[in-house]
Amino acid sequence: AQSVTQPDIHITVSEGASLELRCNYSYGATPYLFWYVQSPGQGLQLLLKYFSGDTLVQGIKGFEAEFKRSQSSFNLRKPSVHWSDAAEYFCAVGARGGSQGNLIFGKGTKLSVKP
Amino acid sequence: DSGVTQTPKHLITATGQRVTLRCSPRSGDLSVYWYQQSLDQGLQFLIQYYNGEERAKGNILERFSAQQFPDLHSELNLSSLELGDSALYFCASSVALAGYNEQFFGPGTRLTVL
Repeated sequence: AQSVTQPDIHITVSEGASLELRCNYSYGATPYLFWYVQSPGQGLQLLLKYFSGDTLVQGIKGFEAEFKRSQSSFNLRKPSVHWSDAAEYFCAVGARGGSQGNLIFGKGTKLSVKP
Repeated sequence: DSGVTQTPKHLITATGQRVTLRCSPRSGDLSVYWYQQSLDQGLQFLIQYYNGEERAKGNILERFSAQQFPDLHSELNLSSLELGDSALYFCASSVALAGYNEQFFGPGTRLTVL
């Protein structure tokens, strides 16, 4: 069965420090991969996505993610965190092929930013 | 603002009751998805509609049902409510069926069952 694991429930980083959020997936083939962010009281916003090609993808707000097939991972990174990045981050997979577009989400990683 | 609207924002009701959550997708989007977000289960896919037809089902209880109308808005009906149904319910929309299409999420409806 498809699944997504985000091993870190909560991470605290200092403002200006670098950030890496981990995501591992279990899927029969290479799925479509997404990172979403949820600010308090808000819906989810897409940060970036991977479909094929270059394994390093750039997203909005200065985020990037790297797909590593051998590790079944899609980790999210940011070189310098801003206080406004405090939010919850969700990794998700979508199935290739077929007509079902639903996403399977990880449990999320809550990011706190220290001043 | 994603362009997806959900009403109401908050809903407080009692066990055993029935409620209807409404979602209007982004203009031009034919596919609508419903997700449930709870503390213990996380974000779980419930059901997907495309142009009025049900296309995929996830972990949706039999007490829950949904439909998508000709104007493409969707409603999620929750009946015989239990305390454990308290959650944030999200609607998302995308332009087409396939998994590579970006899903745009609404702000959610927070349901509290007392």
